Amino acid sequence: QITLKESGPTLVKPTQTLTLTCTFSGFSLSTSGLGVGWIRQPPGKALEWLALIYWDDDKRYSPSLKSRLTITKDTSKNQVVLTIANMHPVDTATYYCAHYNPGTYYRPLNWFDPWGQGTLVTVSS
Amino acid sequence: DIVVTQSPLFLTVTPGEPASISCRSSQSLVHTNGYNYLDWYVQKPGQSPQLLIYMGSNRASGVPWRFSGSGSGTDFTLKISRVEAEDVGLYYCMQALQTPFTFGPGTKVDIK
Repeated sequence: QITLKESGPTLVKPTQTLTLTCTFSGFSLSTSGLGVGWIRQPPGKALEWLALIYWDDDKRYSPSLKSRLTITKDTSKNQVVLTIANMHPVDTATYYCAHYNPGTYYRPLNWFDPWGQGTLVTVSS
Repeated sequence: DIVVTQSPLFLTVTPGEPASISCRSSQSLVHTNGYNYLDWYVQKPGQSPQLLIYMGSNRASGVPWRFSGSGSGTDFTLKISRVEAEDVGLYYCMQALQTPFTFGPGTKVDIK
């Protein structure tokens, strides 16, 4: 059974850097093809994909936030860390991490499943 | 970026009646392998999103048969054959063809 859980501060001040940790079990990020993604959801708003890290350390970022995002992994700890620099009040959101399985070329999956429970981060002075 | 839209944004359905949600993308989601890279997720009240349909028409494990996905290219549809009370929630489509992955605005499904 795959599980993921996000952790980090619930409140950050504007201009600070947010560091979120996704701790997972039930799979290894050393397994070929797999990945972990981060998605956020501002209160009452839609989902927004932020970043993705693959088993081979390939990283993808949302272009609109790329200059502020860094995603890393620690395979030995089964953790993925997302940092967001220069936080603004508009970054207030629930942040989710999710297991990503692209499948293969001939049997693609390309899904985020499952997701963590999410962690609400508020940006306020 | 690929823009994804959904309609309607709000849907109120009588239990036992069918429901349908449309999802459109600004460019074709057909990969060179012939598959449509479009997923559907549902976010039930107070819960995290969960996978419903992947690659346009494949039900995820444990998803009831009343849910089906169809479509190709830029036009996709999620259908619920007979809505049940537990189907209340926000339904999102997401294009997975290329990063940045993009979600639709969501469709809120309520029960009469």
